Amino acid sequence: NAGVTQTPKFQVLKTGQSMTLQCAQDMNHNSMYWYRQDPGMGLRLIYYSASEGTTDKGEVPNGYNVSRLNKREFSLRLESAAPSQTSVYFCASSAWGAGNTIYFGEGSWLTVV
Amino acid sequence: DQQVKQNSPSLSVQEGRISILNCDYTNSMFDYFLWYKKYPAEGPTFLISISSIKDKNEDGRFTVFLNKSAKHLSLHIVPSQPGDSAVYFCAASHTGTASKLTFGTGTRLQVTL
Repeated sequence: NAGVTQTPKFQVLKTGQSMTLQCAQDMNHNSMYWYRQDPGMGLRLIYYSASEGTTDKGEVPNGYNVSRLNKREFSLRLESAAPSQTSVYFCASSAWGAGNTIYFGEGSWLTVV
Repeated sequence: DQQVKQNSPSLSVQEGRISILNCDYTNSMFDYFLWYKKYPAEGPTFLISISSIKDKNEDGRFTVFLNKSAKHLSLHIVPSQPGDSAVYFCAASHTGTASKLTFGTGTRLQVTL
């Protein structure tokens, strides 16, 4: 059972470089999410996609773009990386609607130097 | 503005004793609450949840209590085991936001022998 799979697991970027974090889920979930985790800040929502074809900003969307490629895949793009984007990124998915459990991937460690 | 607060960054408990982790929230619209457990270098995993129509939910060694008037919830682990050592995140959502979660900053639980 793969669940939520995200790649790459580790990445080092130079300031100004761009990159895309990939995420796929095999649970037939409608909703997908990107969170970031920083020390002392908990997990903060960057963007989410309630269903295929829709995307919405979360709490900290600046500097990021997303694409819901199909029901399974939801990618996060950093167009011009900044040191403030050094973080651990988690992709997640859930069935649509309040009260459904969100399932997380294992995380992607991104360092911007 | 932190809508979900976990004021204790860490907690140490002896094996076999009760662990009590606390969480406060400020948004009265929240009506669904969850606890996630996170080991280092892994994604958060769902532990237990409670709807606002209940004041208690139990699953094996884990019980979550909700006090709506105080906007407070707690997670009780009895008895605590060394494998419970992890970071615990409290999270909340409200109907109308799909399953979009707002997380607390986490409490690191260490269960000692």
